[in-house]
Amino acid sequence: DTGVSQNPRHKITKRGQNVTFRCDPISEHNRLYWYRQTLGQGPEFLTYFQNEAQLEKSRLLSDRFSAERPKGSFSTLEIQRTEQGDSAMYLCASSPTAGDTGELFFGEGSRLTVL
Amino acid sequence: TQLLEQSPQFLSIQEGENLTVYCNSSSVFSSLQWYRQEPGEGPVLLVTVVTGGEVKKLKRLTFQFGDARKDSSLHITAAQPGDTGLYLCAGAENNAGNMLTFGGGTRLMVKP
Repeated sequence: DTGVSQNPRHKITKRGQNVTFRCDPISEHNRLYWYRQTLGQGPEFLTYFQNEAQLEKSRLLSDRFSAERPKGSFSTLEIQRTEQGDSAMYLCASSPTAGDTGELFFGEGSRLTVL
Repeated sequence: TQLLEQSPQFLSIQEGENLTVYCNSSSVFSSLQWYRQEPGEGPVLLVTVVTGGEVKKLKRLTFQFGDARKDSSLHITAAQPGDTGLYLCAGAENNAGNMLTFGGGTRLMVKP
């Protein structure tokens, strides 16, 4: 396993369109996280799954944002009716549960540009 | 939401100089992590500190967790151009470390 994989790496869309990002975590990791990072800032927590259960979603930025992890493996983050303010890097991370040191293993991110 | 403030935001130094980056909060964290992020990549963990007053060394990097577990510092000795990057501190909101709150980052540039 080469690590957390995210795609697409770059997405350019027009305002009002829907976009979906996919994250494939490290295979033995139970936990999966989504973060948003705007230019020059640290990552901002969005949501978190343990297996298929979404344990925290109150920090999703608006009801236009939703995430799923239906089989407890890969996850998708969807943004509906995109706005220019949604332009950012969307980072996915995973971590194991057993022997948890708290370390998050991040993917390379999906950069969204909304025109 | 617990907030972490990092300072300075930007730092440009010459190769061989020493530097310290600070991470401060008014809240207590169960643990604190430092990550380094290079352009176009995700953050990569450097160290985790758990115990108040703990000091960890990683080659030329020294990390300290404050006694009250509200603040941390990263000191780099004899900086090298390869140290250039964005340094992020992140606090764990519970002992499982499953939700990290990140600071705004310190962008370091080390000039040869």
